[in-house]
Amino acid sequence: SAVISQKPSRDICQRGTSLTIQCQVDSQVTMMFWYRQQPGQSLTLIATANQGSEATYESGFVIDKFPISRPNLTFSTLTVSNMSPEDSSIYLCSVSGEQFFGPGTRLTVL
Amino acid sequence: QKEVEQNSGPLSVPEGAIASLNCTYSDRVSQSFFWYRQYSGKSPELIMSIYSNGDKEDGRFTAQLNKASQYVSLLIRDSQPSDSATYLCAVSRTGNQFYFGTGTSLTVIP
Repeated sequence: SAVISQKPSRDICQRGTSLTIQCQVDSQVTMMFWYRQQPGQSLTLIATANQGSEATYESGFVIDKFPISRPNLTFSTLTVSNMSPEDSSIYLCSVSGEQFFGPGTRLTVL
Repeated sequence: QKEVEQNSGPLSVPEGAIASLNCTYSDRVSQSFFWYRQYSGKSPELIMSIYSNGDKEDGRFTAQLNKASQYVSLLIRDSQPSDSATYLCAVSRTGNQFYFGTGTSLTVIP
């Protein structure tokens, strides 16, 4: 199974600011996925990131709010833009296959 | 109708008993089915995957799939206090896009 790391592990941010979350995998993978888990809720897929192409966003998520980069086969970033308290969640990245998850980024927006 | 439905629980079982977790899904063309365990504050951890009808056993865990009834279950034999967690059911049509249930909270009482 792939080993996935994320940075930062947690952050507390002010309303209106942006945060970029990094996801690093120890092997090359075709597809990477970004999920959100709001407090007490299950996981919701935000977008799928393929190397060399635009990310594919799920219904309810837009590129302006959650821009994603995928510069190579082992790395991706998710930016949460113009944050509001409703964006307080755990953000998780995972890789194709059986969806192994990174440790997550716990974001609190004040 | 939600893609994946689980009883939220909480489910409590005594130590050594069998815990039974259930999940139904709405998309008949779903091909892959997964059970994840999530401890509080941690990211989901894959326990079992199942792709064809019938039972699949791995140690104390047995996954059961019935595609005709659109039903997946997870049995945990000889439950231990360390099994206390939230269990997430996930289904996938393509092997890439996963839909998660809201999870069932399990408490194993010593």
